[in-house]
Amino acid sequence: AQTVTQSQPEMSVQEAETVTLSCTYDTSESNYYLFWYKQPPSRQMILVIRQEAYKQQNATENRFSVNFQKAAKSFSLKISDSQLGDTAMYFCAFMKPLGGGAQKLVFGQGTRLTINP
Amino acid sequence: DGGITQSPKYLFRKEGQNVTLSCEQNLNHDAMYWYRQDPGQGLRLIYYSQIVNDFQKGDIAEGYSVSREKKESFPLTVTSAQKNPTAFYLCASSPGTAYGYTFGSGTRLTVV
Repeated sequence: AQTVTQSQPEMSVQEAETVTLSCTYDTSESNYYLFWYKQPPSRQMILVIRQEAYKQQNATENRFSVNFQKAAKSFSLKISDSQLGDTAMYFCAFMKPLGGGAQKLVFGQGTRLTINP
Repeated sequence: DGGITQSPKYLFRKEGQNVTLSCEQNLNHDAMYWYRQDPGQGLRLIYYSQIVNDFQKGDIAEGYSVSREKKESFPLTVTSAQKNPTAFYLCASSPGTAYGYTFGSGTRLTVV
């Protein structure tokens, strides 16, 4: 089965701290794409960062970076210098092929992150 | 600006009633998706469409129907056969595998 597991239902840190959200996944594909999405209280899903599996270099987007360990099937998200606006639900997702050129995102259960002032 | 528009933001359905959720995109994406979000269950795929006049069932299609008559539009009908329709519904589109999805702002459906 191709699944995504986020083992931390909730996390809470102080503003300006660094926080790491965990994600593991299971797939038999050799090349694939992984994503982190953020869902703030407005419930709008926002793409935070993406990683292509064949690229060994970890993706970085400003204060957001990933630690991609392909052999371990691990894809953690690090948020540096956390800000109040980072408070949100964070979803790890894996792009699964459906056949015929179609694909779908398979989501983890999410981690609710709270940044405290 | 390009994006996905979902309407209405809030919708109330009476028992036995069909309701339709609107999803429109101006991103020129071929693929469109409907997901359902329940507390503690992440997002689950209802239906998807790769091209106009073609769509496929996702993981939880029972009680739902869709149409794709135009590239820009992918409405979702929640029928009376859906026994537990109260949820948050998200529409998304994608230009391809590498780019993930762009999401709409969602519709909150409540049965009254």
